[in-house]
This record gives sequence, structure tokens and C-alpha cells, in this order.
Amino acid sequence: DAGVIQSPRHEVTEMGQEVTLRCKPISGHNSLFWYRQTMMRGLELLIYFNNNVPIDDSGMPEDRFSAKMPNASFSTLKIQPSEPRDSAVYFCASRLLAGVRDEQFFGPGTRLTVL
Amino acid sequence: KNQVEQSPQSLIILEGKNCTLQCNYTVSPFSNLRWYKQDTGRGPVSLTIMTFSENTKSNGRYTATLDADTKQSSLHITASQLSDSASYICVVRKITGTASKLTFGTGTRLQVTL
Repeated sequence: DAGVIQSPRHEVTEMGQEVTLRCKPISGHNSLFWYRQTMMRGLELLIYFNNNVPIDDSGMPEDRFSAKMPNASFSTLKIQPSEPRDSAVYFCASRLLAGVRDEQFFGPGTRLTVL
Repeated sequence: KNQVEQSPQSLIILEGKNCTLQCNYTVSPFSNLRWYKQDTGRGPVSLTIMTFSENTKSNGRYTATLDADTKQSSLHITASQLSDSASYICVVRKITGTASKLTFGTGTRLQVTL
């Protein structure tokens, strides 16, 4: 299995531009997570989906952030308009819902820099 | 105050030495605790998971302990190698009803040197 696939791996953009991050979860997994990681705050959960349905988006910082999961094999995280404070590494993770030991598998991340 | 506190923030050790990383949590009700290893530029990878009834678990040179009474966990690395250089993140899961929530520590950055 190729694991969780994220694109792009790096994104540099100017403040005010729209940014779209993409994620392909592991085939067969039915739960998908978006995280943001910074040196100051560590890993923060932004939103997660079970069976393509958003379950908890309380971590989404502002209305500028939105996430979609149109099918079981694809999700996007969009920031519009982007701001310098959005600069971080964004991780996507997926898991198979299977009880307390269910493990999340992380993608390689997208490093976003907003100038 | 973060509900999952890790110490130290960073650590430098010589190759071949042992080290212990600490994780204290206040998350309740507790379901499980997982240690992740995150190499630079990569996503976190699970090392061990421990539930309430488990107090020691090993994965090669990594040994995790859990004291659910004092709400403390440790990750011990034996005979460190250069490849152990990474951030180690403690994650605690709680379950309330049908929902669950993960709380992440900010990690310990370990550097193993020659």
C-alpha cells in the first residue's frame, strides 16, 4: 500500500491567495483527519470525517478554512484567503474504525508558507 | 494548561546511551495512550499503544510504561542509535459516550550524536 498521499508536498503562496491541500487516504480506511503542526503549538486536529461525513470541525480556526470529502478516496483542505499565520505543516491521516486500538496513519505532510 | 505535558522539550545524548522521555496527562476519562515517532520532514508513526490495564509494552529497543493511577507514561530508549533522532509525541485518547477525542503533547525532540 502506498500509504496516505498528500499533495503538494510544499506550497509557497502570497497572502490573500487561495490554497488547496489534497489527501488520498489508505484504501479501505473509513476515517480521515486533517492536522496542523507548528513549533509553538505542536499537532492540532482541525477536522475529521467518518465515512465521508464531517464529525468534528471544532478545530478549524476560522471561516477561511474549509474541508470536504466528496468520496472515500479523496479530501481537500482549503484556505481562502490565506494569511502568514497559516504557515505550518498540514498533515492528513486515515484510519480504519475498529475499536480503541485503531491507529491513525499519517501522510508526509504539506509544508505551507504564506508570505 | 495543556492536558498532555511532555518532558524534556529537547534532549541530546550520545549514541549507545539510554534515555527516558516523560508524558504526564490530565485527560479524563482515559481510554488509551500512544507514543508516536516523527522523523524530520515526515508524518508521525505509531510506536506503541497502551490501554488502562497495560503498564509495560516493548517494541524493539523502545519500552513504554503507563501508570494510570498517577497519569504518567514514559518511553525508554535502550542503546540509542543515530536513527532514533526524531520528535516523540505522546497522545492520549478519551472516550465520552460514543465520541472520542485525542489530545497531543507538544513532543520531545531527541538528538542522538556520535
